[in-house]
Amino acid sequence: SYDLTQPPSVSVSPGQTASITCSGENLESKWATWYQQKPGQSPVLVIYKDRERPSGIPERFSGSNSGNTATLTISGTQAMDEADYYCQAWDSSTVVFGGGTRVTVL
Amino acid sequence: QLQLQESGPGLVKPSETLSLTCTVSGGSIRSSSNYWGWIRQAPGKGLEWIGSIYYSGSTYYNLSLKSRVTMSVDTSKNQFSLKLSSMTAADTAVYYCARQFIVGQTGRWFDPWGQGTLVTVSS
Repeated sequence: SYDLTQPPSVSVSPGQTASITCSGENLESKWATWYQQKPGQSPVLVIYKDRERPSGIPERFSGSNSGNTATLTISGTQAMDEADYYCQAWDSSTVVFGGGTRVTVL
Repeated sequence: QLQLQESGPGLVKPSETLSLTCTVSGGSIRSSSNYWGWIRQAPGKGLEWIGSIYYSGSTYYNLSLKSRVTMSVDTSKNQFSLKLSSMTAADTAVYYCARQFIVGQTGRWFDPWGQGTLVTVSS
């Protein structure tokens, strides 16, 4: 089965850049997706097709995908960005989620 | 604006079958570019995809749950449903429904998601 690996946690200071990685075999051959989930809320799509932002998602959220790693970058991180972030991909007719990364804004 | 709403029992007994329905509003479930999916999240854990269904009834399921999962669609009511049999405590989770986009060979993403419904398995 295909696995996506994320770091359990990332800490960032307000105004700084947070980078969240998602690793999977030959991930660059698949579109990577990212969701944000705040406590008690449903996940929200923040990046799809590696780097596309849905309408309403701030420009400070960006994505990339190269080699075995997809990266979600939050530039100028704000307190409201504190949340869990999940990557997701599609492999062999299966939707695969990463284990999630908790972003803490200190 | 498309919205999804899950409905079903909040408590299920061990060995019983869970039945959940997702009602789609603000758009048609008969969309050629969308599947409709179920995802769950155990307390304090990550997301787990259960399966997805097309309006024609075509399905694909998580292999780890396939033997217990049945999904169906009712286009007249703009709803799709999930049945999960032989429930155990390990199936206690928040169950979400979501619209799934299909693009090319590997483009699959969910947006938007329903608010989720907590299902507890307990006698």
